[in-house]
Amino acid sequence: ETGVTQTPRHLVMGMTNKKSLKCEQHLGHNAMYWYKQSAKKPLELMFVYNFKEQTENNSVPSRFSPECPNSSHLFLHLHTLQPEDSALYLCASSHPGQGTNYGYTFGSGTRLTVV
Amino acid sequence: KNEVEQSPQNLTAQEGEFITINCSYSVGISALHWLQQHPGGGIVSLFMLSSGKKKHGRLIATINIQEKHSSLHITASHPRDSAVYICAVRETSGSRLTFGEGTQLTVNP
Repeated sequence: ETGVTQTPRHLVMGMTNKKSLKCEQHLGHNAMYWYKQSAKKPLELMFVYNFKEQTENNSVPSRFSPECPNSSHLFLHLHTLQPEDSALYLCASSHPGQGTNYGYTFGSGTRLTVV
Repeated sequence: KNEVEQSPQNLTAQEGEFITINCSYSVGISALHWLQQHPGGGIVSLFMLSSGKKKHGRLIATINIQEKHSSLHITASHPRDSAVYICAVRETSGSRLTFGEGTQLTVNP
């Protein structure tokens, strides 16, 4: 375990389902991120939260809805997804802001398959 | 053209060989990360560097800020080093990381 825990590890859902991905960290980080990794593509940033506030939305479709109730927890609510949304969804955390005295810690990811 | 380019895309080596993976970027950065991703998806941060060189065990990472280039070296490679190695840069303008496409390394016994 890296200190960032993601659940579930695997998820299969139908296009009409609603599900949620969960990310939890107790590293004292105040920035949390959702990334998407599709096959044969670089990781893509989806959302950034700093101190529970969303600071970046990288043009993500509204069928993905993030929630950050506190600095330790981050959710990604999913509804009416498409098969092309099948991917590995990775959560990460760090200390926010610029500067080099920080590190990124990634979770193990949720492998999502939309059928 | 991706802001972060890695080479090679795929690399196969024999156990014991010295391995080099390269990363070039086109933006101003505050830090560069080397990450390792094993099958199954989990990502481990290997190095974060903003200048010079860092060493951890058999892994060495170097960066040349003027040339916007970094290298990851693995000495005495081992089959357990087989993974995807990803270069990521943190731009000076924010907190997000921009990722390269990764290098798939396979080390054969």
